[in-house]
Amino acid sequence: DVKVTQSSRYLVKRTGEKVFLECVQDMDHENMFWYRQDPGLGLRLIYFSYDVKMKEKGDIPEGYSVSREKKERFSLILESASTNQTSMYLCASPGPGETEAFFGQGTRLTVV
Amino acid sequence: GIQVEQSPPDLILQEGANSTLRCNFSDSVNNLQWFHQNPWGQLINLFYIPSGTKQNGRLSATTVATERYSLLYISSSQTTDSGVYFCAVAGFKTIFGAGTRLFVKA
Repeated sequence: DVKVTQSSRYLVKRTGEKVFLECVQDMDHENMFWYRQDPGLGLRLIYFSYDVKMKEKGDIPEGYSVSREKKERFSLILESASTNQTSMYLCASPGPGETEAFFGQGTRLTVV
Repeated sequence: GIQVEQSPPDLILQEGANSTLRCNFSDSVNNLQWFHQNPWGQLINLFYIPSGTKQNGRLSATTVATERYSLLYISSSQTTDSGVYFCAVAGFKTIFGAGTRLFVKA
């Protein structure tokens, strides 16, 4: 019954590394989202995509980029990881229109 | 944009107690979702409830869209219910409340 899968549960990376977070959904949805979650700040939208090769900035896109080459896969890229990007990252895929959103299991990234 | 507010922000229960979590939203919506985030960080879908009442075991939810609120009821709470409960206005850009952090003590 898996719907949204993130490639890693836990990651530890060094400052300056290029980091890829992968998200795959099996629901044939057009829309996919990346959030980060930090204590006291809630969930904040980084980027979203509404179709293959289409992307839009969310509320906090600085320091991130994304890639959507195939419909089922949405990648979040940290070009040069920094310690302030240590966070929980959550991928989501809502259905068409205003319907239920499904989340991946989350990736807890630590940048040292 | 739509504002989503949850109360209470924190809640401590004795195992076996019942509780009600509230979610208010600032504008008319035709969708509302409740999530439970477990201690490992995963967001679990509890209810997709644009209106009316749904029940799933010890949990139930009611949304009164015309009055812009939703309630999540937890009955006979268990320690495994601990975690953070979010309501969200589901859709293209899902908008979350700040969450209610629940701790159920044995």
